[in-house]
Amino acid sequence: AQSVSQHNHHVILSEAASLELGCNYSYGGTVNLFWYVQYPGQHLQLLLKYFSGDPLVKGIKGFEAEFIKSKFSFNLRKPSVQWSDTAEYFCAVNNNAGNMLTFGGGTRLMVKP
Amino acid sequence: EAGVVQSPRYKIIEKKQPVAFWCNPISGHNTLYWYRQNLGQGPELLIRYENEEAVDDSQLPKDRFSAERLKGVDSTLKIQPAELGDSAVYLCASSPRLAGGAGELFFGEGSRLTVL
Repeated sequence: AQSVSQHNHHVILSEAASLELGCNYSYGGTVNLFWYVQYPGQHLQLLLKYFSGDPLVKGIKGFEAEFIKSKFSFNLRKPSVQWSDTAEYFCAVNNNAGNMLTFGGGTRLMVKP
Repeated sequence: EAGVVQSPRYKIIEKKQPVAFWCNPISGHNTLYWYRQNLGQGPELLIRYENEEAVDDSQLPKDRFSAERLKGVDSTLKIQPAELGDSAVYLCASSPRLAGGAGELFFGEGSRLTVL
């Protein structure tokens, strides 16, 4: 069975600080990787995804994530956060064998203005 | 394009009462999912439909939970009777069928259930 771990449950940053949220997964085969974001009062929406190719993927709003296969990691980064990035971020993995997405526990990010 | 629509947004019931949630997926999406999200946790899959067929319901507590997607479009998730531990947000999502596994899932805003 696949699983996803997000080690940071709560992160507080000031505006313009750099962000890196950790995500590790456990599955030995080919995976598709995702980061979803949930802004306050809104539904979950896709931030970025990795299927194959360049392990550095860029998403919306200046976010990027790097897939490191040897570390089973897919960390999310942003060079300079804004107050509007305050949200909860979820890493998710699909094992490419079926249409099932497994989510991590989420990281709640608060950006202070 | 309309997104995934869920109702009700909020529901408060007493334990042992029944409750039902409704989901209308994005038009043309064959796959429909029900997830449960407990407070402070990530979503957990309850059931997945491919058209009207439930292809993965291993995480659905079948003693009290049931779901249906009769015409391969709308879906209903029911809990009867509800227990205190069922308090959570119930998320519906849909996706088009893609070869090789899931692409992006599109989520509704969720139905927040509080069981007193």
